Amino acid sequence: DGGITQSPKYLFRKEGQNVTLSCEQNLNHDAMYWYRQDPGQGLRLIYYSQIVNDFQKGDIAEGYSVSREKKESFPLTVTSAQKNPTAFYLCASSGTGSNQPQHFGDGTRLSIL
Amino acid sequence: QKEVEQNSGPLSVPEGAIASLNCTYSDRGSQSFFWYRQYSGKSPELIMFIYSNGDKEDGRFTAQLNKASQYVSLLIRDSQPSDSATYLCAGGSGNTGKLIFGQGTTLQVKP
Repeated sequence: DGGITQSPKYLFRKEGQNVTLSCEQNLNHDAMYWYRQDPGQGLRLIYYSQIVNDFQKGDIAEGYSVSREKKESFPLTVTSAQKNPTAFYLCASSGTGSNQPQHFGDGTRLSIL
Repeated sequence: QKEVEQNSGPLSVPEGAIASLNCTYSDRGSQSFFWYRQYSGKSPELIMFIYSNGDKEDGRFTAQLNKASQYVSLLIRDSQPSDSATYLCAGGSGNTGKLIFGQGTTLQVKP
């Protein structure tokens, strides 16, 4: 079954700790994206990547880092510099070009202990 | 700043009625528009996309695009309680593949 897998579903972070959220897709999509969603809010873009070994900052990249070593994988690290990390994190992928819809994984809910 | 605006709602309609969800956008260069449905606690699910002026129908859903007025809408005919969700409108941004999302409109369909 083609799709996007995010893990874990729930994650807890201690103060001063870095945590990594996993995102894997088997849709053969070139482009991948990370969004943050806060309660009652829309989606805000953290980072995106249109090709392997290349990525760009989105609107709220501070306190986050990513890598894109493989086409299928786009992990997001929430660093200790992100002071308010509690949110719902969504990974998406799409074909390249301006008219391609994005498809989402099931999300990871991150909370602070 | 490129923006997509939606009324947050809630929009309440009785079962069987037509629900009309609206969205405006500021970037005249946007060529593609997408409607996503998001149930509470779940991830967004693509339900419609539209690239050309006019109407596009898929089952009970009709997307409408008016580029001159920079206006996109989603009509849901014969609304069901299972349609109760938040609907996100998104517009394509240039050639990057990025989407600009609105805040979403919450729809409540009452039995």
